[in-house]
Amino acid sequence: AQSVTQLDSQVPVFEEAPVELRCNYSSSVSVYLFWYVQYPNQGLQLLLKYLSGSTLVESINGFEAEFNKSQTSFHLRKPSVHISDTAEYFCAVRETSGSRLTFGEGTQLTVNP
Amino acid sequence: KAGVTQTPRYLIKTRGQQVTLSCSPISGHRSVSWYQQTPGQGLQFLFEYFSETQRNKGNFPGRFSGRQFSNSRSEMNVSTLELGDSALYLCASSLEGQTTGELFFGEGSRLTVL
Repeated sequence: AQSVTQLDSQVPVFEEAPVELRCNYSSSVSVYLFWYVQYPNQGLQLLLKYLSGSTLVESINGFEAEFNKSQTSFHLRKPSVHISDTAEYFCAVRETSGSRLTFGEGTQLTVNP
Repeated sequence: KAGVTQTPRYLIKTRGQQVTLSCSPISGHRSVSWYQQTPGQGLQFLFEYFSETQRNKGNFPGRFSGRQFSNSRSEMNVSTLELGDSALYLCASSLEGQTTGELFFGEGSRLTVL
């Protein structure tokens, strides 16, 4: 079984400031790692994923995450946030041989002007 | 290309009733998964269907059931509703059920049980 811990339930930041949303996971088998974003009254959208290869993965809107196997972490970062980044962010894992996602509790990112 | 469509978007039921939620996956996607999202429990996996067969099931009571049709559309049913069943129910589809495949989520069906 896997588990995911998102270390911060709420992260308030000012516009153009850097942000890091922390995610640790636990699993006895190999996993794939994901970050999803959820805007109010909407479903989940995939932000980025780590399957294999380079441990640093990037999204098209400036977010990046680094897979750290020794620390079992997959923190999400953005060097400069915008008001429009305000949303809830979910870290998730999936066994490489499985099909179900296990989600963290979510981190509400609020970007203030 | 149309996304994952869930109907209805919002519904209100009373305790003891039953409800059926529908999900139309992206065209060509044969795998459909269902998740329950609540403020207290977060996002929890309900079940997954692939080619009309339930391939995986989460830890939910038997009141929660689902099925998939030959056109890959899926329905989930909750019988004898309880207050705790109030939640956002999310459906997701993926191509060929591959583990590396991205899950595409619908906007969800928000169920309120009174």
